[in-house]
Amino acid sequence: DAGITQSPRHKVTETGTPVTLRCHQTENHRYMYWYRQDPGHGLRLIHYSYGVKDTDKGEVSDGYSVSRSKTEDFLLTLESATSSQTSVYFCAINPGQAGSYEQYFGPGTRLTVT
Amino acid sequence: GENVEQHPSTLSVQEGDSAVIKCTYSDSASNYFPWYKQELGKGPQLIIDIRSNVGEKKDQRIAVTLNKTAKHFSLHITETQPEDSAVYFCAPYGEFSSGSARQLTFGSGTQLTVLP
Repeated sequence: DAGITQSPRHKVTETGTPVTLRCHQTENHRYMYWYRQDPGHGLRLIHYSYGVKDTDKGEVSDGYSVSRSKTEDFLLTLESATSSQTSVYFCAINPGQAGSYEQYFGPGTRLTVT
Repeated sequence: GENVEQHPSTLSVQEGDSAVIKCTYSDSASNYFPWYKQELGKGPQLIIDIRSNVGEKKDQRIAVTLNKTAKHFSLHITETQPEDSAVYFCAPYGEFSSGSARQLTFGSGTQLTVLP
């Protein structure tokens, strides 16, 4: 999984509670991404980061925030979880060499909001 | 933004036969075209990719072909094996919404089953 770990791997939480998912990488890559995967939708980009404290929105960013205070960690926060945020969340990195578009994915976090 | 369609959604082949999955995209400025394989319970794995200045690329039993004029690219798997059974995603690099930075936009996936 390209030196990427995600924690937790599984989580069940209640509607209205805050949730933070962590993505950790060991290679000091500049670019990191958060996606969600739902049946019939493939993967959709939530937020991405292009450096420490540099982040931007993706296709489905409503209800999510991110932070990157260190190169190796990219955090995804659901401020007040809703049932529609039940999904599998994947973190990805891009090695960031010039002209590189490749993304490599972590193992995923399965989140259930009851 | 980029509109991506992937066909078929499911595909069953006999072991040893070939499999072809097609992806169409809308952003004419897209310049990078990868294919990912996802096994059950795992993250997507990049298996092959192609840049816009190349028409075909092969890696052992897998190949990708690109038709930029028609805006589609295809994954070809020859001599299929049971371990090829997985979900495959195309993910052209384009805009997901007007004015956004370019990113990978994933198709909805193809479940490939290789029957022994």
